[in-house]
Amino acid sequence: QVQLVQSGAEVKKPGASVKVSCKASGYTFTSYYMHWVRQAPGQGLEWMGIINPSGGSTSYAQKFQGRVTMTRDTSTSTVYMELSSLRSEDTAVYYCARRSRKHAFDIWGQGTMVTVSS
Amino acid sequence: EIVMTQSPATLSVSPGERATLSCRASQSVSSNLAWYQQKPGQAPRLLIYGASTRATGIPARFSGSGSGTEFTLTISSLQSEDFAVYYCQQYNNWLSYTFGQGTKLEIK
Repeated sequence: QVQLVQSGAEVKKPGASVKVSCKASGYTFTSYYMHWVRQAPGQGLEWMGIINPSGGSTSYAQKFQGRVTMTRDTSTSTVYMELSSLRSEDTAVYYCARRSRKHAFDIWGQGTMVTVSS
Repeated sequence: EIVMTQSPATLSVSPGERATLSCRASQSVSSNLAWYQQKPGQAPRLLIYGASTRATGIPARFSGSGSGTEFTLTISSLQSEDFAVYYCQQYNNWLSYTFGQGTKLEIK
């Protein structure tokens, strides 16, 4: 079945970087764009950016420009999201989500908790 | 950036009754609007896309309407499993997607 499986929880110190992975299965990886969305504890959903797994092109939310990098590995059907210069406000659950043919987010990963704490 | 505003923040409804959730966009998003349901500890689930089309497997009691800047999600007869947080999202600009702040639907 179609699914996205993310890497496990991370604990990082302020100023460090984190790299979260999202492995796709059950469909043609290069045929669907992938988004990253985060959710701080008790808060709403925040869009971070999008990657085209076919060519690797990306577009990032202005808030994260310069701190986020999204990449992909077509050999393993995996996308990655790296966030640098972490601060406590980056503590959140990070989700990958597939963009459907109709542009909504139809399949979501299970989420990866990233905790930033000294 | 297009700002999405949902109302009310919290809605208390009894099982079996109808729930109506609203979402307003700061500028027109045409019909490029989706609704998601999120339960505690779970990832969001797509309910509605294109403002009014139910996603695969979504029960008929969920319906969406609206276009431009005003949108509504209606749940016709609330079941126990429907109590959750609901988010609207615009995808009119593929380079910038924004979510509403969410409406918590709770049992009255």
